[in-house]
Amino acid sequence: GAGVSQSPRYKVAKRGQDVALRCDPISGHVSLFWYQQALGQGPEFLTYFQNEAQLDKSGLPSDRFFAERPEGSVSTLKIQRTQQEDSAVYLCASSLVGPGSEQYFGPGTRLTVT
Amino acid sequence: GIQVEQSPPDLILQEGANSTLRCNFSDSVNNLQWFHQNPWGQLINLFYIPSGTKQNGRLSATTVATERYSLLYISSSQTTDSGVYFCAVYTDKLIFGTGTRLQVFP
Repeated sequence: GAGVSQSPRYKVAKRGQDVALRCDPISGHVSLFWYQQALGQGPEFLTYFQNEAQLDKSGLPSDRFFAERPEGSVSTLKIQRTQQEDSAVYLCASSLVGPGSEQYFGPGTRLTVT
Repeated sequence: GIQVEQSPPDLILQEGANSTLRCNFSDSVNNLQWFHQNPWGQLINLFYIPSGTKQNGRLSATTVATERYSLLYISSSQTTDSGVYFCAVYTDKLIFGTGTRLQVFP
Protein backbone atom coordinates (compact mmCIF):
# COMPACT_ATOMS: atom_id res chain seq x y z
CA GLY A 1 0.00 0.00 0.00
CA ALA A 2 0.98 3.65 -0.29
CA GLY A 3 3.28 5.08 2.34
CA VAL A 4 3.43 8.58 3.78
CA SER A 5 3.85 11.19 1.06
CA GLN A 6 5.03 14.77 1.34
CA SER A 7 5.07 17.72 -1.02
CA PRO A 8 6.93 19.59 -2.23
CA ARG A 9 10.11 17.53 -1.92
CA TYR A 10 12.24 20.67 -2.19
CA LYS A 11 11.39 24.26 -1.40
CA VAL A 12 13.54 27.36 -1.70
CA ALA A 13 12.18 30.46 0.00
CA LYS A 14 13.53 33.94 0.39
CA ARG A 15 13.84 35.13 3.95
CA GLY A 16 10.54 36.60 5.08
CA GLN A 17 8.34 34.50 2.79
CA ASP A 18 5.64 32.16 4.08
CA VAL A 19 5.77 28.46 3.15
CA ALA A 20 3.30 25.58 3.41
CA LEU A 21 4.39 21.94 3.53
CA ARG A 22 1.93 19.13 2.95
CA CYS A 23 1.75 15.62 4.41
CA ASP A 24 -0.50 12.76 3.30
CA PRO A 25 -0.39 10.03 5.96
CA ILE A 26 -1.00 6.34 5.43
CA SER A 27 -4.72 5.82 4.93
CA GLY A 28 -6.50 5.04 8.19
CA HIS A 29 -3.67 6.18 10.43
CA VAL A 30 -5.01 8.07 13.42
CA SER A 31 -1.81 9.78 14.56
CA LEU A 32 0.30 12.22 12.58
CA PHE A 33 3.60 13.81 13.56
CA TRP A 34 5.92 16.52 12.25
CA TYR A 35 9.68 16.50 12.82
CA GLN A 36 12.52 18.83 11.89
CA GLN A 37 15.90 17.39 10.91
CA ALA A 38 18.90 19.70 10.73
CA LEU A 39 21.94 18.67 8.71
CA GLY A 40 23.89 15.93 10.46
CA GLN A 41 21.37 15.57 13.29
CA GLY A 42 18.55 13.21 14.13
CA PRO A 43 14.93 14.27 13.64
CA GLU A 44 13.40 16.39 16.39
CA PHE A 45 9.72 16.34 17.33
CA LEU A 46 7.62 19.36 16.43
CA THR A 47 3.96 18.47 16.89
CA TYR A 48 1.42 15.63 17.09
CA PHE A 49 -2.18 15.17 15.94
CA GLN A 50 -4.66 12.52 16.89
CA ASN A 51 -7.27 12.71 14.15
CA GLU A 52 -7.92 16.46 13.79
CA ALA A 53 -6.91 17.37 17.34
CA GLN A 54 -3.46 18.83 17.89
CA LEU A 55 -2.54 17.21 21.20
CA ASP A 56 1.08 18.27 21.51
CA LYS A 57 2.81 21.26 19.95
CA SER A 58 5.60 21.54 22.48
CA GLY A 59 8.32 21.15 19.84
CA LEU A 60 7.30 24.04 17.59
CA PRO A 61 10.28 26.43 17.79
CA SER A 62 8.33 29.68 17.58
CA ASP A 63 4.90 31.13 16.96
CA ARG A 64 5.88 31.44 13.30
CA PHE A 65 5.26 27.70 13.00
CA PHE A 66 1.70 26.51 12.68
CA ALA A 67 0.28 23.07 11.83
CA GLU A 68 -3.22 21.89 11.05
CA ARG A 69 -5.07 18.70 10.15
CA PRO A 70 -8.64 19.92 9.72
CA GLU A 71 -10.28 16.69 8.52
CA GLY A 72 -8.08 14.25 10.37
CA SER A 73 -6.18 13.15 7.28
CA VAL A 74 -3.91 15.51 5.30
CA SER A 75 -1.83 17.90 7.36
CA THR A 76 -0.11 21.17 6.53
CA LEU A 77 2.86 22.70 8.33
CA LYS A 78 3.05 26.43 7.74
CA ILE A 79 6.05 28.60 8.49
CA GLN A 80 5.51 32.34 8.42
CA ARG A 81 8.21 34.93 7.75
CA THR A 82 10.87 32.28 7.16
CA GLN A 83 14.36 32.81 8.54
CA GLN A 84 17.65 31.18 7.62
CA GLU A 85 17.63 29.01 10.75
CA ASP A 86 14.42 27.39 9.47
CA SER A 87 16.46 25.65 6.74
CA ALA A 88 16.13 21.94 7.43
CA VAL A 89 14.36 18.79 6.29
CA TYR A 90 10.79 18.58 7.56
CA LEU A 91 9.60 15.02 8.07
CA CYS A 92 6.07 13.79 8.54
CA ALA A 93 5.19 10.46 10.15
CA SER A 94 1.98 8.59 10.87
CA SER A 95 0.99 5.70 13.10
CA LEU A 96 -2.05 3.46 13.13
CA VAL A 97 -3.25 4.18 16.64
CA GLY A 98 -1.73 6.23 19.45
CA PRO A 99 1.65 7.98 19.46
CA GLY A 100 3.38 5.04 21.08
CA SER A 101 2.68 2.73 18.17
CA GLU A 102 5.11 2.23 15.29
CA GLN A 103 5.68 5.41 13.30
CA TYR A 104 6.22 5.44 9.52
CA PHE A 105 8.00 8.36 7.90
CA GLY A 106 7.58 10.20 4.63
CA PRO A 107 10.48 11.25 2.36
CA GLY A 108 10.61 14.76 3.81
CA THR A 109 10.61 18.29 2.41
CA ARG A 110 14.00 19.99 2.21
CA LEU A 111 13.49 23.70 2.93
CA THR A 112 16.25 26.15 2.08
CA VAL A 113 15.82 29.77 3.13
CA THR A 114 18.06 32.21 1.28
CA GLY B 1 14.91 14.96 29.43
CA ILE B 2 15.89 11.49 28.34
CA GLN B 3 19.29 11.07 26.66
CA VAL B 4 19.77 8.59 23.81
CA GLU B 5 23.35 7.82 22.89
CA GLN B 6 24.48 5.60 20.04
CA SER B 7 27.83 4.00 19.42
CA PRO B 8 29.98 3.93 17.47
CA PRO B 9 29.31 7.28 15.79
CA ASP B 10 30.99 6.13 12.60
CA LEU B 11 31.66 2.67 11.20
CA ILE B 12 33.47 1.66 8.03
CA LEU B 13 33.17 -1.93 6.86
CA GLN B 14 34.11 -4.06 3.91
CA GLU B 15 31.29 -5.93 2.23
CA GLY B 16 30.58 -9.21 4.02
CA ALA B 17 31.61 -8.06 7.48
CA ASN B 18 29.37 -8.20 10.55
CA SER B 19 28.70 -5.32 12.95
CA THR B 20 26.92 -4.42 16.18
CA LEU B 21 25.40 -1.00 16.82
CA ARG B 22 24.46 0.06 20.33
CA CYS B 23 21.80 2.40 21.70
CA ASN B 24 21.84 3.47 25.35
CA PHE B 25 19.04 5.45 26.93
CA SER B 26 18.98 7.21 30.27
CA ASP B 27 15.45 6.46 31.50
CA SER B 28 12.59 3.98 31.16
CA VAL B 29 10.87 3.98 27.79
CA ASN B 30 7.60 2.66 26.44
CA ASN B 31 8.92 1.50 23.12
CA LEU B 32 11.94 1.66 20.83
CA GLN B 33 12.36 1.75 17.07
CA TRP B 34 15.41 1.26 14.84
CA PHE B 35 15.57 3.12 11.52
CA HIS B 36 17.93 3.20 8.56
CA GLN B 37 18.19 6.60 6.88
CA ASN B 38 19.40 5.90 3.37
CA PRO B 39 21.62 8.30 1.39
CA TRP B 40 18.49 9.90 -0.10
CA GLY B 41 17.19 10.78 3.35
CA GLN B 42 14.33 8.28 3.62
CA LEU B 43 13.84 6.79 7.09
CA ILE B 44 13.20 3.09 6.72
CA ASN B 45 11.66 1.13 9.58
CA LEU B 46 13.83 -1.75 10.70
CA PHE B 47 12.41 -2.85 14.05
CA TYR B 48 9.75 -1.86 16.56
CA ILE B 49 11.20 -3.53 19.62
CA PRO B 50 10.34 -2.34 23.14
CA SER B 51 11.86 -5.54 24.54
CA GLY B 52 13.18 -8.92 23.49
CA THR B 53 14.78 -10.05 20.23
CA LYS B 54 13.60 -9.85 16.64
CA GLN B 55 15.17 -10.92 13.36
CA ASN B 56 14.54 -9.88 9.80
CA GLY B 57 16.88 -11.43 7.24
CA ARG B 58 20.45 -10.29 7.85
CA LEU B 59 19.36 -7.90 10.59
CA SER B 60 18.41 -8.61 14.15
CA ALA B 61 17.80 -6.48 17.23
CA THR B 62 17.71 -7.01 20.96
CA THR B 63 16.34 -4.60 23.56
CA VAL B 64 17.01 -5.07 27.27
CA ALA B 65 14.65 -2.48 28.69
CA THR B 66 15.61 -3.13 32.33
CA GLU B 67 19.24 -2.28 31.50
CA ARG B 68 18.30 0.58 29.16
CA TYR B 69 20.01 -0.49 25.97
CA SER B 70 19.31 -1.96 22.57
CA LEU B 71 21.60 -3.61 20.02
CA LEU B 72 21.26 -3.84 16.25
CA TYR B 73 23.19 -6.62 14.50
CA ILE B 74 24.01 -6.47 10.82
CA SER B 75 25.46 -9.62 9.30
CA SER B 76 27.13 -10.07 5.91
CA SER B 77 26.94 -6.32 5.24
CA GLN B 78 26.23 -5.04 1.73
CA THR B 79 26.94 -1.68 0.11
CA THR B 80 23.20 -0.96 0.24
CA ASP B 81 23.42 -1.04 4.05
CA SER B 82 25.30 2.28 3.94
CA GLY B 83 23.61 5.25 5.58
CA VAL B 84 22.78 6.41 9.09
CA TYR B 85 21.18 4.14 11.66
CA PHE B 86 19.00 5.73 14.32
CA CYS B 87 17.39 4.31 17.38
CA ALA B 88 14.43 6.26 18.72
CA VAL B 89 12.73 5.84 22.07
CA TYR B 90 9.20 6.77 22.96
CA THR B 91 8.25 8.34 26.29
CA ASP B 92 5.65 11.00 25.60
CA LYS B 93 7.21 11.65 22.20
CA LEU B 94 9.71 9.92 19.92
CA ILE B 95 13.28 10.94 20.80
CA PHE B 96 16.00 10.06 18.33
CA GLY B 97 19.51 9.00 19.21
CA THR B 98 22.74 10.51 17.96
CA GLY B 99 22.99 8.05 15.05
CA THR B 100 25.66 5.71 13.67
CA ARG B 101 26.95 6.50 10.19
CA LEU B 102 27.79 3.25 8.37
CA GLN B 103 29.80 3.04 5.17
CA VAL B 104 30.17 -0.33 3.47
CA PHE B 105 32.78 -0.64 0.72
CA PRO B 106 32.93 -3.40 -1.91
